[in-house]
Amino acid sequence: SQQGEEDPQALSIQEGENATMNCSYKTSINNLQWYRQNSGRGLVHLILIRSNEREKHSGRLRVTLDTSKKSSSLLITASRAADTASYFCATDGTGTASKLTFGTGTRLQVTL
Amino acid sequence: NAGVTQTPKFQVLKTGQSMTLQCAQDMNHEYMSWYRQDPGMGLRLIHYSVGAGITDQGEVPNGYNVSRSTTEDFPLRLLSAAPSQTSVYFCASRETGFEWQYFGPGTRLTVT
Repeated sequence: SQQGEEDPQALSIQEGENATMNCSYKTSINNLQWYRQNSGRGLVHLILIRSNEREKHSGRLRVTLDTSKKSSSLLITASRAADTASYFCATDGTGTASKLTFGTGTRLQVTL
Repeated sequence: NAGVTQTPKFQVLKTGQSMTLQCAQDMNHEYMSWYRQDPGMGLRLIHYSVGAGITDQGEVPNGYNVSRSTTEDFPLRLLSAAPSQTSVYFCASRETGFEWQYFGPGTRLTVT
C-alpha cells in the first residue's frame, strides 16, 4: 500500500515562479526524503528531513515537516526549465532505512 | 564511478518466459534494493538486501526471486513472466550509515 500521497498530481508554472508540492503519509516515520525523476531516468535524492526537524534548506529547496499532521511540503524557489521532472516523497518508518515507501509523485512542468 | 547500472534497458517477454534483470554498483554499498514503478503509482519495493548473502522481501515480492552472492551484484529473476509484471524496474543502493538511495536508470519490461 502507498504510504504517501502527493498533491497536486501535476503542476505547471513559468520559469522564475515558486513551486510547492505536498506529501501526506499515514504512519509514524523516522525520516522523509524527496527525490526527483527526470523523464525516462532513475530517481535522484534531493533532501532528507528527520522526524525531529521542522524545516530544512538546500540551495533553492525548502522542505517542511509537520509530524502532527503527517505531512511535508517541498518548495522550489525561482524555478528553472531544468526543474521539469516528477518529484516523489519517500518515508522511512522502520528506522533501518531498508524499506522506503514512496508517494505517487507530482509532475512539475516549468515553461519558459 | 559508474554508480548503479542496470541491464537491459528494454525487454519484451512472452507470458511464461523467464529472465533476469541485472543490477550492479561499484560504490561498495552494502544495501541494495529492487523497485517497480507503475503508472500513477509510486515506487514499490520488491526485494532488498542488506549485504552479501542476505535478502528479504519488500511490499510486492510475489513472482520475483533475488540472490546476493557479491556486494556488487543484485540480480532480479522473473521465473514465469505475467502481464501484471509489465513495469519499469529500478535498482538502488545505499551506503551504510546513510539513509538515502542511489538509483539506476531502470529497465522497462513488457510482458505480452
